[in-house]
Amino acid sequence: DAGVIQSPRHEVTEMGQEVTLRCKPISGHDYLFWYRQTMMRGLELLIYFNNNVPIDDSGMPEDRFSAKMPNASFSTLKIQPSEPRDSAVYFCASSFEGARQLSSSYNSPLHFGNGTRLTVT
Amino acid sequence: QKEVEQNSGPLSVPEGAIASLNCTYSDRGSQSFFWYRQYSGKSPELIMFIYSNGDKEDGRFTAQLNKASQYVSLLIRDSQPSDSATYLCAAKGNFGNEKLTFGTGTRLTIIP
Repeated sequence: DAGVIQSPRHEVTEMGQEVTLRCKPISGHDYLFWYRQTMMRGLELLIYFNNNVPIDDSGMPEDRFSAKMPNASFSTLKIQPSEPRDSAVYFCASSFEGARQLSSSYNSPLHFGNGTRLTVT
Repeated sequence: QKEVEQNSGPLSVPEGAIASLNCTYSDRGSQSFFWYRQYSGKSPELIMFIYSNGDKEDGRFTAQLNKASQYVSLLIRDSQPSDSATYLCAAKGNFGNEKLTFGTGTRLTIIP
């Protein structure tokens, strides 16, 4: 199992440019999460999907951010236009929660990708 | 008030001693609690989770949960320099609410 794969690992762009982050979840996982991590705010949930459907996007900071999951093996997070305050590490994570409805004690770990370090100048 | 709160540290503990990490949460609907470890420049990795009041042990790690006090802790026995990392506490709701909310983390340093 290759784990959660994110690309690119590093992205440096100028303010105003469009940025697209990519994620391939672990095969068979039914949940996909996008997190952003900064020193000041820690790890913040931006949006998550269940079976490719967005469930909660209340953490998306503003309309400049959008996320899609066109199929079970691919998701994108897009920032347009980017701003310096968007500089952070963006993590994608996936999990399988399908068994949780059968047992409240079931808990699947969240598998994180290696992250994309975004710098907007 | 953040939903999950941790002391940011840094917490320094001598090698071989017990490290104690604490976390409080505000949402009484939270059902499961997780401890993740994150080395500098790396992604978080799961150490253990707990969902019942009391203690849960896994090797050198013990998680403790007190739902009445809305308090979670992680004890690391026989601390090793390799335990030096940031420890993240996280809370999850019932089935149907799979959102995992993290604290800002506690930076732990084990002093040889």
